[in-house]
Amino acid sequence: DTGVSQDPRHKITKRGQNVTFRCDPISEHNRLYWYRQTLGQGPEFLTYFQNEAQLEKSRLLSDRFSAERPKGSFSTLEIQRTEQGDSAMYLCASSSGQNNSPLHFGNGTRLTVT
Amino acid sequence: AQSVTQLDSQVPVFEEAPVELRCNYSSSVSVYLFWYVQYPNQGLQLLLKYLSGSTLVESINGFEAEFNKSQTSFHLRKPSVHISDTAEYFCAVSLNDYKLSFGAGTTVTVRA
Repeated sequence: DTGVSQDPRHKITKRGQNVTFRCDPISEHNRLYWYRQTLGQGPEFLTYFQNEAQLEKSRLLSDRFSAERPKGSFSTLEIQRTEQGDSAMYLCASSSGQNNSPLHFGNGTRLTVT
Repeated sequence: AQSVTQLDSQVPVFEEAPVELRCNYSSSVSVYLFWYVQYPNQGLQLLLKYLSGSTLVESINGFEAEFNKSQTSFHLRKPSVHISDTAEYFCAVSLNDYKLSFGAGTTVTVRA
């Protein structure tokens, strides 16, 4: 068990550019989650997958955001036409999906949009 | 919708002193309650959770939290803190086991 891995750790981009983040969950965890954390706030739910199916999306996830988990293993989160308000820590978590199994979080990807 | 209020953003405390982190939630239905901890430069880790049953839950490192339904609270306590307890602590509430609503966090700084 190597934990949830996120790449990159930091990303600085100019407004209007597209960015993509990757998350590798704990192996055999069939649930994967994306959260966003802005400075001084707790994490906010964005979306989650059960295997390759995206089962719920928050209203925070505008149409510029898209998340995929094509083979039910790793996931990508893409932000198109980034805005300064997208600057945040993007957190990925995974769980086994068994009743009340805890979420295991990665260290996050910090995005700065200039 | 559920929401969580952590009443203290910063809690400085001396080593071996007790600490209490306050958490209140609002929900019209029964919820699950959690405390997560984030040590410097690390990801969020589950500290303890209340799902049902005994209202007092404990972690392996000496923290405990008590669910109080009438006061809609889930305060976290430790009778004697260590330097290594310096971290940010998040209270969270959920109707299920995947969609957590977090509070804004409480930063605990333990001083020698």
